[in-house]
Amino acid sequence: EVQLVESGGGLVQPGGSLRLSCAASGFTFSDNWMLWVRQAPGKGLVWVSRIRGDAGITNYADSVKGRFTISRDNAKNTLYLQMNSLRAEDTAVYYCVRGLVSISVLVAWGQGTLVTVSS
Amino acid sequence: QTVVTQEPPFSVSPGGTVTLTCGLNSGSVSTSNYPGWYQQTPGQAPRTLIYSTNTRSSGVPDRFSGSILGNKAALTITGAQAEDESDYYCVLYMSSGIWVFGGGTKLTVL
Repeated sequence: EVQLVESGGGLVQPGGSLRLSCAASGFTFSDNWMLWVRQAPGKGLVWVSRIRGDAGITNYADSVKGRFTISRDNAKNTLYLQMNSLRAEDTAVYYCVRGLVSISVLVAWGQGTLVTVSS
Repeated sequence: QTVVTQEPPFSVSPGGTVTLTCGLNSGSVSTSNYPGWYQQTPGQAPRTLIYSTNTRSSGVPDRFSGSILGNKAALTITGAQAEDESDYYCVLYMSSGIWVFGGGTKLTVL
């Protein structure tokens, strides 16, 4: 059974940093694309970033480019999202999502971790 | 700026059929956009229904189906049930390597 468990969320001040983690199990992590999607309170889903299985390709939404960095440790079956220069509008539940091997279609979701940016 | 369009709130009668669509402000949706459909109830994580236009995710009832209708992606629910009352989101892949979600459609079954 595929399991994706996010952690690392919490309250952070504007301008601060936070690193999210996603522990994956139940599939060959190193083969699959992985993605981050976020959802602000009461709002819709927004794609944030994606990374290929070998980490050879990464892409970002314009709203986070230059501030967020996606990475992975295939030896630890863990996906990361380093978030710097955080803003109030980054407040959201962040979901870790599994893609497929060949394409980054969004297939399986974690339960999410809440990030709140506030002074 | 790429905008993915979905219907405003929609309603369907129990047992009825409803089709939700997903369009692009900049042109037509094709299989190259790998359309995906996701169901979300309040307080829960999204659930994948359909990916790559028409591939049903594991465990999803066959009353949910995906297709391309005209210039849009479509999600059809045949024989809607009370538990289908949810928010439905579509997502499209762009050749630049990014994904864009629609704003979602709230479906009421009554």
